[in-house]
Amino acid sequence: GAVVSQHPSWVICKSGTSVKIECRSLDFQATTMFWYRQFPKQSLMLMATSNEGSKATYEQGVEKDKFLINHASLTLSTLTVTSAHPEDSSFYICSARDPRGTGYEQYFGPGTRLTVT
Amino acid sequence: RKEVEQDPGPFNVPEGATVAFNCTYSNSASQSFFWYRQDCRKEPKLLMSVYSSGNEDGRFTAQLNRASQYISLLIRDSKLSDSATYLCVVPPEGTASKLTFGTGTRLQVTL
Repeated sequence: GAVVSQHPSWVICKSGTSVKIECRSLDFQATTMFWYRQFPKQSLMLMATSNEGSKATYEQGVEKDKFLINHASLTLSTLTVTSAHPEDSSFYICSARDPRGTGYEQYFGPGTRLTVT
Repeated sequence: RKEVEQDPGPFNVPEGATVAFNCTYSNSASQSFFWYRQDCRKEPKLLMSVYSSGNEDGRFTAQLNRASQYISLLIRDSKLSDSATYLCVVPPEGTASKLTFGTGTRLQVTL
């Protein structure tokens, strides 16, 4: 399957600071990447769809000014959690759609565990 | 009705057992279906796609029942390493983008 990397794998930050998470597709070009969040014992929740060369599309209830997404190239999307608070502590996972298959398969990065103190 | 529904389990089965999960979906127009596996504190990994005719990959068999709007995953000869949460995924019709995840079914294979 396709390979997607994510960095950092975990981060601890103080309340009020900003954290940037990178998502890279390593062996394919992804015009579309996705950002999910998962709280303990809950299902993955899509936060936003990241489109290369255009603005991200946010899901209802997700603050676009708090979760800044930049799809800088066909292999890189970044998520910046601005002014993080303890309730933002979660497991953030990105995925990229592999255009070489049916177009529906998504491959996930290993995730970033964010803890805000 | 939720877009995708799964029994959260947990399903506790002994090693070597055969176990099956079902997942119901609400959109009758859905065309593609997937099973993902997620280990604790890890990212989901694509396990298999579900085709209309059903498909098999080693000990794993996936089937689609359009009339009743559910997909199933059968695991034969369960192994300890099969312990994980199995996620049913259904992309909405007409888009290659968003995936809708079920809450997952937790499987625990024991000695």
